[in-house]
Amino acid sequence: QQQVKQSPQSLIVQKGGISIINCAYENTAFDYFPWYQQFPGKGPALLIAIRPDVSEKKEGRFTISFNKSAKQFSLHIMDSQPGDSATYFCAASKNQAGTALIFGKGTTLSVSS
Amino acid sequence: GAVVSQHPSRVICKSGTSVKIECRSLDFQATTMFWYRQFPKQSLMLMATSNEGSKATYEQGVEKDKFLINHASLTLSTLTVTSAHPEDSSFYICSAADSGGAYEQYFGPGTRLTVT
Repeated sequence: QQQVKQSPQSLIVQKGGISIINCAYENTAFDYFPWYQQFPGKGPALLIAIRPDVSEKKEGRFTISFNKSAKQFSLHIMDSQPGDSATYFCAASKNQAGTALIFGKGTTLSVSS
Repeated sequence: GAVVSQHPSRVICKSGTSVKIECRSLDFQATTMFWYRQFPKQSLMLMATSNEGSKATYEQGVEKDKFLINHASLTLSTLTVTSAHPEDSSFYICSAADSGGAYEQYFGPGTRLTVT
């Protein structure tokens, strides 16, 4: 019940295309869903996060779509750029202080120019 | 804002020695910090949760006597790998949760530990 399942494992997208990464969770107590971007040899950087009171959140080219009934959420990267090539992790946690994040296994995105 | 630093960024040590890694929240206070371990091309594995002024909570399978965690202030947590062995070689990353009300976690840049 603590798992967060992420797919696909890897993704190749052409420059200008839309990258879509999906995650699913089981624990209905989760109510905070962030996405992190990680470049090789660096720590993860918080990209965007959503709480279940909204179905979508957009920040620039990045959008989270959230489906509470299906217990799924996804990251959409519009107009993908070579600089977006990185590993993306979805995560989930209970919305209370001191709660650890449960991470998906990650998606390696390659944007070809 | 929301910057977390780690020191050192890279360390090489001999088998049997101890190594200390520092994690600092630079512009916010963090009641809780987390320590993760990451193997190449894998996800982050939570090792322990560190609360300021109290003992750390370790995840199942993580040896608390080998990975000593101290959270002495609201901006500093340390991880000491004792009697390091080559299998402890990994990328260690800390994160800090902002005590100011939001629950976002911010990650440090990581420490690459190599045990020879």
